[in-house]
Amino acid sequence: GQQVMQIPQYQHVQEGEDFTTYCNSSTTLSNIQWYKQRPGGHPVFLIQLVKSGEVKKQKRLTFQFGEAKKNSSLHITATQTTDVGTYFCAGMGTYKYIFGTGTRLKVLA
Amino acid sequence: GAGVSQSPSNKVTEKGKDVELRCDPISGHTALYWYRQSLGQGLEFLIYFQGNSAPDKSGLPSDRFSAERTGGSVSTLTIQRTQQEDSAVYLCASSLTWSWNTEAFFGQGTRLTVV
Repeated sequence: GQQVMQIPQYQHVQEGEDFTTYCNSSTTLSNIQWYKQRPGGHPVFLIQLVKSGEVKKQKRLTFQFGEAKKNSSLHITATQTTDVGTYFCAGMGTYKYIFGTGTRLKVLA
Repeated sequence: GAGVSQSPSNKVTEKGKDVELRCDPISGHTALYWYRQSLGQGLEFLIYFQGNSAPDKSGLPSDRFSAERTGGSVSTLTIQRTQQEDSAVYLCASSLTWSWNTEAFFGQGTRLTVV
């Protein structure tokens, strides 16, 4: 079945450093969504990418969708302690969101 | 309602007992999903409802798990004869409809602990 993998699984960064998580699907995706889950919280939608090669920015966050629509990345510039959490990508399978394995980000002040 | 509501927020049960978890989706959302998240792990798909029907039950781990949705709104996930490996956070999500470009709104989850 369709699988969505993310790397790295964990990332510890010093506050102010950049962070990137990568998402790879075993099949071509119609779209990719990104969610953030704060410690003890629930996943919250961040953004959706639809077009091949699409790039979207939200303040310090930059999201990219690969040309082949099989991979995506989330880059955070100059991390802050508020960026702590687990970042999930999600592709749409039949009748379900297929979530990536997640990247847990810790930011050291 | 304003958001997806789940109850109870925490549930501790003895091994072998049955539990029922409730999800109240956002009003007007026809698609409803149940996911399970073990400690520090990803999101495991359990079941999807479109209206009252469940086209995809493929994620239910065993026949001890069942779910229903009535009136196209509230859904309950029932786990019979609970086992310790059922301990996890059960997350419910809803979306306007099942479509490739709709976002999922998650509830706060029910943390189930089987002792």
